[in-house]
Amino acid sequence: ILNVEQSPQSLHVQEGDSTNFTCSFPSSNFYALHWYRWETAKSPEALFVMTLNGDEKKKGRISATLNTKEGYSYLYIKGSQPEDSATYLCATNQAGTALIFGKGTTLSVSS
Amino acid sequence: DSGVTQTPKHLITATGQRVTLRCSPRSGDLSVYWYQQSLDQGLQFLIQYYNGEERAKGNILERFSAQQFPDLHSELNLSSLELGDSALYFCASSVGSRPALQETQYFGPGTRLLVL
Repeated sequence: ILNVEQSPQSLHVQEGDSTNFTCSFPSSNFYALHWYRWETAKSPEALFVMTLNGDEKKKGRISATLNTKEGYSYLYIKGSQPEDSATYLCATNQAGTALIFGKGTTLSVSS
Repeated sequence: DSGVTQTPKHLITATGQRVTLRCSPRSGDLSVYWYQQSLDQGLQFLIQYYNGEERAKGNILERFSAQQFPDLHSELNLSSLELGDSALYFCASSVGSRPALQETQYFGPGTRLLVL
């Protein structure tokens, strides 16, 4: 069974801090890695879909990297703001199966 | 707003009952996915439809079924409900023009089901 692990489970930072968290997954038969942002009382919002080893994607102050050979992806947030407070989910798959989601990293940013 | 709509927003029902959750995908999206989010679990994939046909199946119970209609909306039917079926049910859609697992999925607001 494919296991997607995210760490840390939760994180509390001050406004202006930069932070990062990790998504780990089995490296065999990799197909795609998704990052989603999920705010309380809203629905998950897509951030990135990454498919190639060494991929780097950026959206404003948020960026992500992918290492398919060792089975991990990092999500970075530069200069965290209170509106970045959310749960960040990653999801991946082995070829032929559906997306498997991790349990997420919950980020809390204090002003 | 993702463009995916789900009804109802909330549903309270009793054990043994049957309910239907409805999803309308984004305009132009051919693929629809259903997920279940329970308290202590991550998002669990249930089933995917593409242009009216079942495309992939996850951990969907036999008591649950789904279909996608010609107008591309989808319904998830949950029957013989148990307390443990209480969860947040999400529908997502994607364009369907690329391999599904490489496509961005757009999530609806979810239906919160409470089984008493």
